[in-house]
Amino acid sequence: DSGVTQTPKHLITATGQRVTLRCSPRSGDLSVYWYQQSLDQGLQFLIQYYNGEERAKGNILERFSAQQFPDLHSELNLSSLELGDSALYFCASRPRLGQGNNEQFFGPGTRLTVL
Amino acid sequence: EDKVVQSPLSLVVHEGDTVTLNCSYEVTNFRSLLWYKQEKKAPTFLFMLTSSGIEKKSGRLSSILDKKELFSILNITATQTGDSAVYLCAVEWGNTPLVFGKGTRLSVIA
Repeated sequence: DSGVTQTPKHLITATGQRVTLRCSPRSGDLSVYWYQQSLDQGLQFLIQYYNGEERAKGNILERFSAQQFPDLHSELNLSSLELGDSALYFCASRPRLGQGNNEQFFGPGTRLTVL
Repeated sequence: EDKVVQSPLSLVVHEGDTVTLNCSYEVTNFRSLLWYKQEKKAPTFLFMLTSSGIEKKSGRLSSILDKKELFSILNITATQTGDSAVYLCAVEWGNTPLVFGKGTRLSVIA
């Protein structure tokens, strides 16, 4: 157990719908990262937040958005869903600089299926 | 163009074999290279490498980085069926967050 929690574990929805994925980082971690993992693309970085502010953006579609709240939990919003959005979505958190190995700790993921 | 390339893509070995997984990268302002193991679900951290030539070791797993030739290897000795997983390499450079390779799928047969 990495200490990062994600809900829900599974989500099945239809094309055109909107969903929200939730992540709580490990206690004390300020950074949250979102990743998408599909079979053919591997683990793709989407977006990073640090203490409530967007820090870096990767290959995130305009239909997707995220935010990090004052209590440091984060939500990833996916809208106008398409079949190709079906994937595992991971959240990761990272200790502050100087703490531990500075590696990212991954949550268990949310498996999204778009029908 | 992929910045982080892992090889082989998949590997099947017998229990007790030794395996070497490769990760090469092509970036500037390198900061760190990380290895993760992914079984059914979330990747779990194995090693973080920042300096050339210093081996990191944990049990039967070890890893080393060559910053001149821009690659890292992950060695697993005396493999067990529990080592079956996808092994991911990720590189961080400049202000870019981790970029992952596509992984090596290792299958260890009893």
